Amino acid sequence: DAGVIQSPRHEVTEMGQEVTLRCKPISGHNSLFWYRQTMMRGLELLIYFNNNVPIDDSGMPEDRFSAKMPNASFSTLKIQPSEPRDSAVYFCASSSSEVITYEQYFGPGTRLTVT
Amino acid sequence: AQSVAQPEDQVNVAEGNPLTVKCTYSVSGNPYLFWYVQYPNRGLQFLLKYITGDNLVKGSYGFEAEFNKSQTSFHLKKPSALVSDSALYFCAVRGHYGNNRLAFGKGNQVVVIP
Repeated sequence: DAGVIQSPRHEVTEMGQEVTLRCKPISGHNSLFWYRQTMMRGLELLIYFNNNVPIDDSGMPEDRFSAKMPNASFSTLKIQPSEPRDSAVYFCASSSSEVITYEQYFGPGTRLTVT
Repeated sequence: AQSVAQPEDQVNVAEGNPLTVKCTYSVSGNPYLFWYVQYPNRGLQFLLKYITGDNLVKGSYGFEAEFNKSQTSFHLKKPSALVSDSALYFCAVRGHYGNNRLAFGKGNQVVVIP
């Protein structure tokens, strides 16, 4: 299996621009998680989906952030408008309810820099 | 609520010496426990997990972890550290019931000194 795929791997944008991050979970996994990692705040869960339905978005920082999962093999995280404080590495992870422990498998991340 | 504490920010160890990374957890009921490793500019990689049964769990790259219910701990160990083990290590927990999200610790930076 190719694992969790994220694109782009790096994104540099100017403040105020829209940014869209993409994720393809492992085939057959039915849960998908978006995380943000910074030096100051560590690893934060932003939102997660079960069977394409958002379950908990309490970690989404503010209304500028939105996430969708239109089907089982694709999810997006959008930031509009972007701000310098959004600079971070964004990870997508997936897991399967067929594995009782629900361990998560992470993608390589997208490093976002907002100038 | 479920949570993990990793008390040390950084663990320094000489190559060839035993490595221990500490983790304590809090969860309602019985736990599922995990260790992940993150190498520079990479995503988190699953190392090992505790489900039930034997308190000593063996994982990838020679790592093992010991579950201690009375101390609510799940410390990661390796008998002989390699320079290539230098990375960020995360402990995570979830309960047997409830939602499927994991609670991650803040991570421990391990530096293995040649």
